[in-house]
Amino acid sequence: QLVLTQSPSASASLGASVKLTCTLNSRHSDYAIAWHQQQPEKGPRFLMKVNSDGSHIKGDGIPDRFSGSSSGAERYLIISSLQSDDEADYYCQTWDTGIHVFGSGTKVTVL
Amino acid sequence: QVQLVESGGGMVQPERSLRLSCAATGFVFSRYGMHWVRQAPGKGLEWVAVISFDGTTKYYSGSVRGRFTVSRDNSENTLFLQMSSLRPEDTAVYYCAKDWGVPAAFPDYWGQGTLVTVSS
Repeated sequence: QLVLTQSPSASASLGASVKLTCTLNSRHSDYAIAWHQQQPEKGPRFLMKVNSDGSHIKGDGIPDRFSGSSSGAERYLIISSLQSDDEADYYCQTWDTGIHVFGSGTKVTVL
Repeated sequence: QVQLVESGGGMVQPERSLRLSCAATGFVFSRYGMHWVRQAPGKGLEWVAVISFDGTTKYYSGSVRGRFTVSRDNSENTLFLQMSSLRPEDTAVYYCAKDWGVPAAFPDYWGQGTLVTVSS
């Protein structure tokens, strides 16, 4: 069973950095994932795909402040120089043939 | 630029049917798989269904399989979701999303969503 685990919340100060973690279950630890951002009252927006080797491909117009990396079964989203409109829910997502799964999301608060 | 505009949402009674549409512009619709993803009030994202670029392959989540049908009209650049035997737990904002590539992997563009409320 394909499962993604995310912490429910994270916070950091304006201008600081925050690192979000998405953990794959052990059987699927080499899978790639995608990160999506959902600002309040808006539809989601694709941020990037993160591969198991840490390489990542960003969506159109995603600022350099957003980056991704990997370690084992963990996939990371790093947001640098936090801005107020980075306050949002962040979802990771992965896939296999015939199945697509989202994590439960991490709510980021900018202090 | 890529635009996805959902329509067809509204309030419907349990056990009734509803059809959602998603009009796509700004890309070659017939080359990409498409997803439906929903979000219940105050909850996270839940994948619902995916259809291949040519409409020949379709997959569904366990919660909707047998009740929902995804289809597409490549001549009209439109995606559909036919929902039958609706339940209160199907209440959600429904988003259509374009897939990155072939085979379907992850959404890279999303619509703004349409709200479906199932209630008597």
